[in-house]
Amino acid sequence: DAKTTQPNSMESNEEEPVHLPCNHSTISGTDYIHWYRQLPSQGPEYVIHGLTSNVNNRMASLAIAEDRKSSTLILHRATLRDAAVYYCILRDFGTYKYIFGTGTRLKVLA
Amino acid sequence: EAGVAQSPRYKIIEKRQSVAFWCNPISGHATLYWYQQILGQGPKLLIQFQNNGVVDDSQLPKDRFSAERLKGVDSTLKIQPAKLEDSAVYLCASSFKRGAGANVLTFGAGSRLTVL
Repeated sequence: DAKTTQPNSMESNEEEPVHLPCNHSTISGTDYIHWYRQLPSQGPEYVIHGLTSNVNNRMASLAIAEDRKSSTLILHRATLRDAAVYYCILRDFGTYKYIFGTGTRLKVLA
Repeated sequence: EAGVAQSPRYKIIEKRQSVAFWCNPISGHATLYWYQQILGQGPKLLIQFQNNGVVDDSQLPKDRFSAERLKGVDSTLKIQPAKLEDSAVYLCASSFKRGAGANVLTFGAGSRLTVL
């Protein structure tokens, strides 16, 4: 299973952009990059996913490096409700297995 | 659409007792996953079903854990006998059929188990 590496924690000021990095140097050509976040006392929730091109949705943007060995989740204006643990996951193409790492705990300061 | 339902939300048992958790996935979701999340760690995949067949159970401690998904809908995860280290949140997730483009996971709220 391909692995991801994320910083343990990050801080951001409210209403400022946040860039959450993820390294996945062993990614295979058919692995999708998924991001989920987990709010306190809740199950993880889907944020965004991509394969090769940058992606935008109402929650966030995903920037994928040209060699696909890293990606960055971008929250354009962090709010207090964005405080959560963010997980970067490589979805195995063959088995549709999702392997979570330890994630990045994002703290948003008012 | 209704979300992934799990019960019970909380369970406290003594070690060596048994416990069962139930999951009802989103209607039409063929793939179902059980994860174990120990405090401070990321979710660990225990078992993955495709309809009522097992796709992956390599991380399931089969001497004490069992899971089934009869009729390809609801699923039950059982622990017997429980150990102290089984204290965790058990998360159920489901996704649309394999081969579908997005195939994102939808999680339930989880079942928190405390083993004393």
